[in-house]
Amino acid sequence: AQSVTQLGSHVSVSEGALVLLRCNYSSSVPPYLFWYVQYPNQGLQLLLKYTTGATLVKGINGFEAEFKKSETSFHLTKPSAHMSDAAEYFCAVIAGNKLTFGGGTRVLVKP
Amino acid sequence: DAGVTQSPTHLIKTRGQQVTLRCSPKSGHDTVSWYQQALGQGPQFIFQYYEEEERQRGNFPDRFSGHQFPNYSSELNVNALLLGDSALYLCASSFLLSGGTYEQYFGPGTRLTVT
Repeated sequence: AQSVTQLGSHVSVSEGALVLLRCNYSSSVPPYLFWYVQYPNQGLQLLLKYTTGATLVKGINGFEAEFKKSETSFHLTKPSAHMSDAAEYFCAVIAGNKLTFGGGTRVLVKP
Repeated sequence: DAGVTQSPTHLIKTRGQQVTLRCSPKSGHDTVSWYQQALGQGPQFIFQYYEEEERQRGNFPDRFSGHQFPNYSSELNVNALLLGDSALYLCASSFLLSGGTYEQYFGPGTRLTVT
């Protein structure tokens, strides 16, 4: 069985500051991991994914994430927050084409 | 190329009624999954359709049923609505990546309110 834990349901950052969103997973098979973003009243948009190969993956909008097997983590970072990054972010693991999501982290960006 | 589309956008129903939500997958995708997202929570997997058959199912009661048509579009039906069924219902279509896993694309969702 797969599970995902996102530490911190809310994160507040200043514009220009580092964004760090934490994700830990549990998987009985080699994990394929995803980060999605959800803007208010919208569906989910894929930010980035890890399948195989390079453990540091780059996504859209300046985000990147690093897969660390020893720590069972897939934390999402962005060096400099922008006001447009205010949204909810979901980490997910896939097995057999079924996504299991974490509870989400809502990001607030302060000017 | 249109992405995943869902209809309607919003829906208000009364307890005990039945509802049907619709989804058209992204061009080239043959698999459709449905998720329920309650307010303040992450999406929960309901079920998945491939080749007009239910292939996987999450922990949802039989009141939730679905269908996939030959053109790969799909419907989600919920009978005997409960207040707790109020949520955003997301449809996702997917394709197989070269690495042997899948990538899912989500629609904008249907917001269902049960009163």
